[in-house]
Amino acid sequence: AQKVTQAQTEISVVEKEDVTLDCVYETRDTTYYLFWYKQPPSGELVFLIRRNSFDEQNEISGRYSWNFQKSTSSFNFTITASQVVDSAVYFCAHTYWDTGNQFYFGTGTSLTVIP
Amino acid sequence: NAGVTQTPKFQVLKTGQSMTLQCAQDMNHEYMSWYRQDPGMGLRLIHYSVGAGITDQGEVPNGYNVSRSTTEDFPLRLLSAAPSQTSVYFCASSYSKPQRGQPQHFGDGTRLSIL
Repeated sequence: AQKVTQAQTEISVVEKEDVTLDCVYETRDTTYYLFWYKQPPSGELVFLIRRNSFDEQNEISGRYSWNFQKSTSSFNFTITASQVVDSAVYFCAHTYWDTGNQFYFGTGTSLTVIP
Repeated sequence: NAGVTQTPKFQVLKTGQSMTLQCAQDMNHEYMSWYRQDPGMGLRLIHYSVGAGITDQGEVPNGYNVSRSTTEDFPLRLLSAAPSQTSVYFCASSYSKPQRGQPQHFGDGTRLSIL
C-alpha cells in the first residue's frame, strides 16, 4: 500500500535551535512527487514545497531546507534557527504516477517553538 | 482571486440531520477533493473529482456524497449526520490530477460538530 510515515508526532524546541522533521514514504512507482505543507494554529494548510522523483537535489529556501534521499525513501525537512512563527503542524504528502488520482498524507508532526 | 472558498466555517448539527458543505474554486482547477482531519490521523481523503461529472471515493467515503456539476463547485453532503463525523473538513483543488505533481490549494476548513 502507498504510505507516508511521519514518526515524530510532536516536537518541542527552543527558539533558534535547528529542527528536522522526518518523512518516509513507500512507493512501487519510479515516477512520483513529494510535498510538504504547513498548518499554523490558525488552521489553514499552506503549500511549502514539491519534489519529483527524478530530482534528488536538496533545496534551500531561507531558513528551510529539504533533503530528498531515494535510497532511504525519505524527504526530510529542516528548519534552521527556528522561530516562534514556525510553530505549526507539518504534513508530508505523496502522489504516484500509476495510481495518480490521490494525494497520500502523513499524520503530521506538531512543532512547538518555545521562546 | 479568492482561491478555494468553503462555507460554512462552523456548523453544529444534531444526529440524523443532513447538510451540505460548500466548496468553490475560481482557478479553473480540474481536480477537487474533500478531506477530513481528526486528531492523530492526519488528512484522510473522503471523495475526489478529476473533472466535471466525474467523482470517485477516497479512503473514508461512507456517510458522504458528492457531485461535480460544474468545474467550480464540489459540494459534500452528509446524508444522516453521526457523532463520528465530528471533524474539520477541508476542500482542496489543483490544476491537474495528482499524478501530474501539481500541489493542492486548500480552503480554510469547516469545523463540524455532531451532537
